[in-house]
Amino acid sequence: DAGVTQSPTHLIKTRGQQVTLRCSPKSGHDTVSWYQQALGQGPQFIFQYYEEEERQRGNFPDRFSGHQFPNYSSELNVNALLLGDSALYLCASSLMGASTEAFFGQGTRLTVV
Amino acid sequence: KQEVTQIPAALSVPEGENLVLNCSFTDSAIYNLQWFRQDPGKGLTSLLLIQSSQREQTSGRLNASLDKSSGRSTLYIAASQPGDSATYLCAVLWGYQKVTFGIGTKLQVIP
Repeated sequence: DAGVTQSPTHLIKTRGQQVTLRCSPKSGHDTVSWYQQALGQGPQFIFQYYEEEERQRGNFPDRFSGHQFPNYSSELNVNALLLGDSALYLCASSLMGASTEAFFGQGTRLTVV
Repeated sequence: KQEVTQIPAALSVPEGENLVLNCSFTDSAIYNLQWFRQDPGKGLTSLLLIQSSQREQTSGRLNASLDKSSGRSTLYIAASQPGDSATYLCAVLWGYQKVTFGIGTKLQVIP
């Protein structure tokens, strides 16, 4: 079992550009959540996808959008990048249900210059 | 507002010492609480998951307790080792699948 995999591992983008990050959930999991972790902070919830729909959303602007595919993998898209979007982006997978364990990938380090 | 606080922010201990990391949360109506470990620049590794109906979970040298009424959880690490050096994060699930993290405790175990 490969666990949760994210790509790419590192990315450098210019302010104003758009970026797409990818996540493959742990085998058997159907739910993907995305988090943003700024340096020295705890992860902040962006949104969650289940059955190819956004189910929950944190306090992030519409520049942040996502998608989930029939195979449960997911993408996070960020438009009009700002310097403040520089962070570690983490993907977590789980089984839909109130009390299931979340497993995280290694993250994508995004640097906006 | 549902918040998670971790104290201390940083901790340095000599190898072999037993230690306790603290996590407090503002709303006792939780579904579960999960402890993670994060190495610098890396993702999160799940250590222990405590369901709202449980009081503690154990895995090897780690023991996590949960007291919902007081809004607290502790992570106990026995016989600490230099390899335990990392940031430890506490995460609380309140709403349906929406997790709130603390800022973490950065642990350094000195050989």
